[in-house]
Amino acid sequence: EPEVTQTPSHQVTQMGQEVILRCVPISNHLYFYWYRQILGQKVEFLVSFYNNEISEKSEIFDDQFSVERPDGSNFTLKIRSTKLEDSAMYFCASSGSTYNSPLHFGNGTRLTVT
Amino acid sequence: QKEVEQNSGPLSVPEGAIASLNCTYSDRGSQSFFWYRQYSGKSPELIMFIYSNGDKEDGRFTAQLNKASQYVSLLIRDSQPSDSATYLCAVNGPGGGGNKLTFGTGTQLKVEL
Repeated sequence: EPEVTQTPSHQVTQMGQEVILRCVPISNHLYFYWYRQILGQKVEFLVSFYNNEISEKSEIFDDQFSVERPDGSNFTLKIRSTKLEDSAMYFCASSGSTYNSPLHFGNGTRLTVT
Repeated sequence: QKEVEQNSGPLSVPEGAIASLNCTYSDRGSQSFFWYRQYSGKSPELIMFIYSNGDKEDGRFTAQLNKASQYVSLLIRDSQPSDSATYLCAVNGPGGGGNKLTFGTGTQLKVEL
């Protein structure tokens, strides 16, 4: 069964450093997303991406965050200058051709900012 | 602001019993409803989705939706110890931009031998 893959599984970085989290969505999916989950808290929406542009973003997704689909398969989340409070699990997800198609999540990247 | 409410649990049921998980949502415009299972330290795994009022069955799982009451539930029949996990209710509203989901905090289910 096709799946969303994320790399790395764990990233440790120092405060102020830039990080790039990588994702390969399911190949025939059209919508791509980033969500995050701070330890012990809800899964929170960050951004959705469709047709090579951001379609919606949350208040969390400020100027420190950016997304890109650099080629036909990868989807990346960049955090420009990490803060301690960015420590969380970051989940990439993708969904199919209709706006309400179910999301399929990757295994996540645990980001630890020290 | 959209809210999705779930009882955090833990909900303990004996093996073989029916587990009933409930969720309420605040946005009457919500159109898509999802149940995800999340094991500790892992990613959400899609269990069921439902778009219309009524029941939808898939194997041991039944999702129930009542839009008038803004209520969605998940029944797990013949519960197994492997069903022990946190169950996340997620809801989407109308409009474009793909399926932006609002998640509840999840209900922890424990299936006991």
